[in-house]
Amino acid sequence: GENVEQHPSTLSVQEGDSAVIKCTYSDSASNYFPWYKQELGKRPQLIIDIRSNVGEKKDQRIAVTLNKTAKHFSLHITETQPEDSAVYFCAASIRSGGYQKVTFGTGTKLQVIP
Amino acid sequence: NAGVTQTPKFQVLKTGQSMTLQCAQDMNHNSMYWYRQDPGMGLRLIYYSASEGTTDKGEVPNGYNVSRLNKREFSLRLESAAPSQTSVYFCASSDPGLGWDIQYFGAGTRLSVL
Repeated sequence: GENVEQHPSTLSVQEGDSAVIKCTYSDSASNYFPWYKQELGKRPQLIIDIRSNVGEKKDQRIAVTLNKTAKHFSLHITETQPEDSAVYFCAASIRSGGYQKVTFGTGTKLQVIP
Repeated sequence: NAGVTQTPKFQVLKTGQSMTLQCAQDMNHNSMYWYRQDPGMGLRLIYYSASEGTTDKGEVPNGYNVSRLNKREFSLRLESAAPSQTSVYFCASSDPGLGWDIQYFGAGTRLSVL
């Protein structure tokens, strides 16, 4: 089955600096890669996603890149703010008929220091 | 729209007790999922239902059963709770059949088994 590895497990940055979280996946059939943000005690919420036919996607301060050949994808947050502090999960997904099989990484706890 | 609603929010059980976690979605999604979240392990799939009337095992199904009661509702049952089932449980829904792969999560159920 699919295996998703995520690094680092914890990340501390100064406010205003950039943060980068990296993930690798094992199944070349994975075709959808979402990133979720989970604040303490809250539900995971999608912040950005990318499909396998796209190499990069950007939404304001957040960007995701995908290298299909190397099977890795990364989340980039620029100009970090204290409200960016949370746990971030990457995931790799395969759609098979009406079912979407999603495998999550183990999470990165991001701390933005004011 | 309420999105995905889970009940209860918190529960404490004694070893051997049984209980059912309820999940309902009002987005007319075909697919529903149950995950458990443990520290350092991300989200792991317990069971899923690709459509009404179908259920299948995920990564960690042992000790659990599910029922897809109708299109809206998907319940998770612990027949004989064990301390290893102490976790936060999330229900999610999506509709990949319509081209939407985004999973929407409920607020979670925090379960402690003593």
